[in-house]
Amino acid sequence: SQQGEEDPQALSIQEGENATMNCSYKTSINNLQWYRQNSGRGLVHLILIRSNEREKHSGRLRVTLDTSKKSSSLLITASRAADTASYFCATDARGAQKLVFGQGTRLTINP
Amino acid sequence: GAVVSQHPSWVICKSGTSVKIECRSLDFQATTMFWYRQFPKQSLMLMATSNEGSKATYEQGVEKDKFLINHASLTLSTLTVTSAHPEDSSFYICSARDLFGTGVQPQHFGDGTRLSIL
Repeated sequence: SQQGEEDPQALSIQEGENATMNCSYKTSINNLQWYRQNSGRGLVHLILIRSNEREKHSGRLRVTLDTSKKSSSLLITASRAADTASYFCATDARGAQKLVFGQGTRLTINP
Repeated sequence: GAVVSQHPSWVICKSGTSVKIECRSLDFQATTMFWYRQFPKQSLMLMATSNEGSKATYEQGVEKDKFLINHASLTLSTLTVTSAHPEDSSFYICSARDLFGTGVQPQHFGDGTRLSIL
């Protein structure tokens, strides 16, 4: 499969807790992106991290990238019920226009 | 922010019907748009890359005669599912990249089209 792996496939936590999702990929990349998808909707871009970056922050989001392990993680701090969604990582491979998506993590935040 | 409009959002039709889905970039130009298919609780699978003014590039296993793509302008790409059958029922999503955006640009996604073939 060209797609990367994400784990866990599903995650259920209490509001206020932190949520961590992991993503692994297979090829050399220009950058890695994280997207959120609410049920039945399109994808919303969250954050992009370049291959020469190791960590990036945006509000309550923290993304790390380890190119030696071909892996990335997304941390959502102080989770809210509105964070309930599916989260996908996507890699922008070198020499390719297209994105390759991971399998996704379904995150449920319980009030 | 960049907006991609996809229309229609929901289609229900009889088997054998051809269905056209439009994808428009509303406030930016896109030489390249992408069409994805997504089954319930699964990830997005790229079907094809739509290039303005030229033929689309299809992924392996995607029938180009079944899924016709036209990218006639820098702001519009269409996907036509020809002679649709129940197995074509799925969620179809388009995305586009800003041609003139500075730096590395993410893809901007439409809200998807849910296609149900009876």
